[in-house]
Amino acid sequence: GQNIDQPTEMTATEGAIVQINCTYQTSGFNGLFWYQQHAGEAPTFLSYNVLDGLEEKGRFSSFLSRSKGYSYLLLKELQMKDSASYLCAVMDSNYQLIWGAGTKLIIKP
Amino acid sequence: DTEVTQTPKHLVMGMTNKKSLKCEQHMGHRAMYWYKQKAKKPPELMFVYSYEKLSINESVPSRFSPECPNSSLLNLHLHALQPEDSALYLCASRKGGRGNGELFFGEGSRLTVL
Repeated sequence: GQNIDQPTEMTATEGAIVQINCTYQTSGFNGLFWYQQHAGEAPTFLSYNVLDGLEEKGRFSSFLSRSKGYSYLLLKELQMKDSASYLCAVMDSNYQLIWGAGTKLIIKP
Repeated sequence: DTEVTQTPKHLVMGMTNKKSLKCEQHMGHRAMYWYKQKAKKPPELMFVYSYEKLSINESVPSRFSPECPNSSLLNLHLHALQPEDSALYLCASRKGGRGNGELFFGEGSRLTVL
């Protein structure tokens, strides 16, 4: 079957760094996505990895290891507005997104 | 223009009403999606249109009826809904073809069924 695992909830301190992990088993692979979603709003695209390695975009970075079925999202210099759910999703061989359940990130002052 | 526009943003309807949700994109994307999302859950795929043809229907009840009038528009017609259908309905589009994976989401339509 298809499966994506990520932690349910994480807590971090403003100004710190947090890493959200995602492991996956899917039928085929056409890229891994990270989305940010604030309560009641639509998901916002953060990153897309299709090759192994690290993609950096400002305070956010995403890493992929296809051989390990593993990705992480790294958030630096955390701000209160980063409190949100972070969704890991893998595009399978049919170009359909398989979603993780999301990680609720709580930022404390 | 990198937007997917959804209307209305909020909709309240009774169980006997007929209403429609609309989605529009002008990015030339050839794949368009409807997702349903309940609170604290990831989006659930409902329908996929590829090149204006329905390619995936994830066993969605017939009270939801999708329509793709042209490559820029996607509608979701609603009839005889149940209170449990209350959710955030998300439209998304993708360029289509191999290697063009990123999904662009609209802001969603918040539906409440009374």
